[in-house]
Amino acid sequence: AQKVTQAQTEISVVEKEDVTLDCVYETRDTTYYLFWYKQPPSGELVFLIRRNSFDEQNEISGRYSWNFQKSTSSFNFTITASQVVDSAVYFCALSENTGNQFYFGTGTSLTVIP
Amino acid sequence: DADVTQTPRNRITKTGKRIMLECSQTKGHDRMYWYRQDPGLGLRLIYYSFDVKDINKGEISDGYSVSRQAQAKFSLSLESAIPNQTALYFCATSRTGFGLETQYFGPGTRLLVL
Repeated sequence: AQKVTQAQTEISVVEKEDVTLDCVYETRDTTYYLFWYKQPPSGELVFLIRRNSFDEQNEISGRYSWNFQKSTSSFNFTITASQVVDSAVYFCALSENTGNQFYFGTGTSLTVIP
Repeated sequence: DADVTQTPRNRITKTGKRIMLECSQTKGHDRMYWYRQDPGLGLRLIYYSFDVKDINKGEISDGYSVSRQAQAKFSLSLESAIPNQTALYFCATSRTGFGLETQYFGPGTRLLVL
């Protein structure tokens, strides 16, 4: 079974719209980390955020915000007032305290239309 | 200068050829990883190394080998390349910490096996 599920394969929005990228994870560990990475068309992977399992506080960074809910095993990512430069593939990832591995979702391709 | 570099950035090779992808980092991290990315499959772990004397197989190690020449260098080899190894390859690094720390990625190597 997938440890990280990003059910949205592709999303298109018009510039200035808000968009939420979903991430659902599965783990039996009580201690774990969740991550979001951005992969723009140029191909590199850019780290966006890390959240540990003990910190359910939502986080906001400019137009980006993250909603972590342990009750639903979700770590969703919202972009407010989207811009063309937000067009990229976004990956959610999980690392567990045991197992020493990162588990990546299959990514959500976001296209922001001008 | 980039903290994690990969060479070459692009490579075309023929079936049966041996090829080496190299990764160097200046972040001072002790952990290094090799992933491949295929469309629709996200990132999959090939090998990882927690220090110079520690090498571990990942999810998809068959057909690959690695060498950790120094703390800062981690090479991936395809002993006899085959077309289904055509992919985007990423090197990543992280420091040792509580659980798994954030992984920082190189720019990627696009490999085409004809």
